[in-house]
Amino acid sequence: DAGITQSPRHKVTETGTPVTLRCHQTENHRYMYWYRQDPGHGLRLIHYSYGVKDTDKGEVSDGYSVSRSKTEDFLLTLESATSSQTSVYFCAIRRGPSFAGELFFGEGSRLTVL
Amino acid sequence: AQRVTQPEKLLSVFKGAPVELKCNYSYSGSPELFWYVQYSRQRLQLLLRHISRESIKGFTADLNKGETSFHLKKPFAQEEDSAMYYCALMSGGTSYGKLTFGQGTILTVHP
Repeated sequence: DAGITQSPRHKVTETGTPVTLRCHQTENHRYMYWYRQDPGHGLRLIHYSYGVKDTDKGEVSDGYSVSRSKTEDFLLTLESATSSQTSVYFCAIRRGPSFAGELFFGEGSRLTVL
Repeated sequence: AQRVTQPEKLLSVFKGAPVELKCNYSYSGSPELFWYVQYSRQRLQLLLRHISRESIKGFTADLNKGETSFHLKKPFAQEEDSAMYYCALMSGGTSYGKLTFGQGTILTVHP
């Protein structure tokens, strides 16, 4: 499992509330990613990080923010959740340049926004 | 901008039949393509990458730059191949290694 865990695994929340998803890795890898998985859209990149405090936007970043204050943790925050953010969220890590394109995924966090 | 298209949302075959999952891409640079698989109740995982030209679990995929395709093939499907399959394109070079995924194809292999 490449030492990657996500929490919470399931969450139900109401529109307008803040939500934070956590991705934790135990192997000190530099690159971390947040994707969302939706039927008909596949996986879409939300944000990614290439080091502590180094983050950048993906293709569907609106409504999301991220933080990486420690190598092992990459947090995804929905400041004010909307129903369109109901999805399964996956965190992934990459082990280094020689593993380019090979991502190791967490088990996913299923978020339902009512 | 890069784009990956998997035209088949669902694909059903019988055990022992050949299977082909289609993937087309658009990208202005030199593409690096991958197939990922998600079995039931398991994590999404890498199945194969075009650059290594390997065969994993009997699956192969050939990059056709003329047709901008990277179809996944297996000559004899097995029931354990039933899963969600994603084609993915890497952009941003090896520095960032961002993957753009297709919409996914659910493969069901019937006994």
